[in-house]
Amino acid sequence: KNEVEQSPQNLTAQEGEFITINCSYSVGISALHWLQQHPGGGIVSLFMLSSGKKKHGRLIATINIQEKHSSLHITASHPRDSAVYICAVGGNQFYFGTGTSLTVIP
Amino acid sequence: GAVVSQHPSWVICKSGTSVKIECRSLDFQATTMFWYRQFPKQSLMLMATSNEGSKATYEQGVEKDKFLINHASLTLSTLTVTSAHPEDSSFYICSAPRVSSYNEQFFGPGTRLTVL
Repeated sequence: KNEVEQSPQNLTAQEGEFITINCSYSVGISALHWLQQHPGGGIVSLFMLSSGKKKHGRLIATINIQEKHSSLHITASHPRDSAVYICAVGGNQFYFGTGTSLTVIP
Repeated sequence: GAVVSQHPSWVICKSGTSVKIECRSLDFQATTMFWYRQFPKQSLMLMATSNEGSKATYEQGVEKDKFLINHASLTLSTLTVTSAHPEDSSFYICSAPRVSSYNEQFFGPGTRLTVL
C-alpha cells in the first residue's frame, strides 16, 4: 500500500466547474504540500498545510489531521488549470502521491 | 516567499557524458536538500539527502557512485549524473527545508534530463 493515495487519478471537467482532488495518507506528518506540475514537468508549490484550511485565489486546500486526509478544491475552473496535481506529505522525508491529471475543457 | 532554483531546467546529452544539476536556495539557508527523480507517469521518488559539509545519504537502490552529490554551501547542492545512459533520462527535482522551520519545504522547478 502506498503511503499517499490520491483520487481521482484522472479528471476531466468543463470550464467553470468546481473541482475536488483528494489525498489520504498513512504516515505521520509535519506538513502536507499540494504541488502543480504542468506538461514539460515544471513543479509549482501551491500550498503547504499543517492544519486547517488555506485559500489562494480560486484554490482552497484543507487538511484533517485526525482523519489523515486533505482536499484541494478549484473553484470556477479554467483550461489553464489543466495540470497534474500532486500531494506530498512528510516532515524529514516526503512521500508523494501519484498525482491527479486534470483537464479542463473550454 | 522562499525560492529554490534549479539549473539547467532541461539538458540533452550524449550517452557516456556527465551532467551536473544545481539546486540553490535563493533567500534562505538549507543545511539539508533532497533530490528526487520522476519517471514518466510515476510519482516522485526520493533519491538522496544532501547534507551540507558531510556525505549524502542515498536511498536503497540508488548508486552513490553514479549520482554524485555535493552540498558545498548552505545555499547550493549539486547532483552529477556520471556516465549517463538513456535509462537515466528522467525529471530531477530538489527540495530544501528552511533551517528555522524544518517542515517548511520548498521545491525546485525541476530539471528534465534526456540522454541520447
